Amino acid sequence: TAGITQAPTSQILAAGRSMTLRCTQDMRHNAMYWYRQDLGLGLRLIHYSNTAGTTGKGEVPDGYSVSRANTDDFPLTLASAVPSQTSVYFCASSERLGADIQYFGAGTRLSVL
Amino acid sequence: GQNIDQPTEMTATEGAIVQINCTYQTSGFNGLFWYQQHAGEAPTFLSYNVLDGLEEKGRFSSFLSRSKGYSYLLLKELQMKDSASYLCAAMDSNYQLIWGAGTKLIIKP
Repeated sequence: TAGITQAPTSQILAAGRSMTLRCTQDMRHNAMYWYRQDLGLGLRLIHYSNTAGTTGKGEVPDGYSVSRANTDDFPLTLASAVPSQTSVYFCASSERLGADIQYFGAGTRLSVL
Repeated sequence: GQNIDQPTEMTATEGAIVQINCTYQTSGFNGLFWYQQHAGEAPTFLSYNVLDGLEEKGRFSSFLSRSKGYSYLLLKELQMKDSASYLCAAMDSNYQLIWGAGTKLIIKP
């Protein structure tokens, strides 16, 4: 069972470069999420999507964009990376937006130098 | 503001019981989640409480008091594989999860 697949696993990126983090789920879940996890802080929501074709801003959306062209894919793009975007990024999904269990991908460890 | 507080680190002995506390303040409330996260891995769901009281699931139990903004996760018969971080998260009125920084649980033989 694949669940949620994220790519790449890790990446070192030069400041100012752009990058897209990929996320694919095979559970036909309607809702998808992007979080970042930093040492000493809780997971923070970057963007989310209620269903294909719709997206919303989370707690820390600045510097990131997302799209949801279909149910399965929810890519996260950094247009011009900055060192403060060094973090571990997790993609998650749930059946619907609400009090449903969120299932997480294995994460992408990103270093911006 | 919205806030979740939980201890940074706890140590317990294999075979013992440990209680991890969590207090929360959110704009509205739609339930309290606990997740387990082993080092370098993804968080995985443990429990969900929306009504006051205790939910038991095998060796793990979770308690909620909405009036006190308080929850705890109780782990019994601790095993070495329980060494992990335990994340408390409260769902606000917009159905967004507000996460605590996690409690790192160290199990000693």
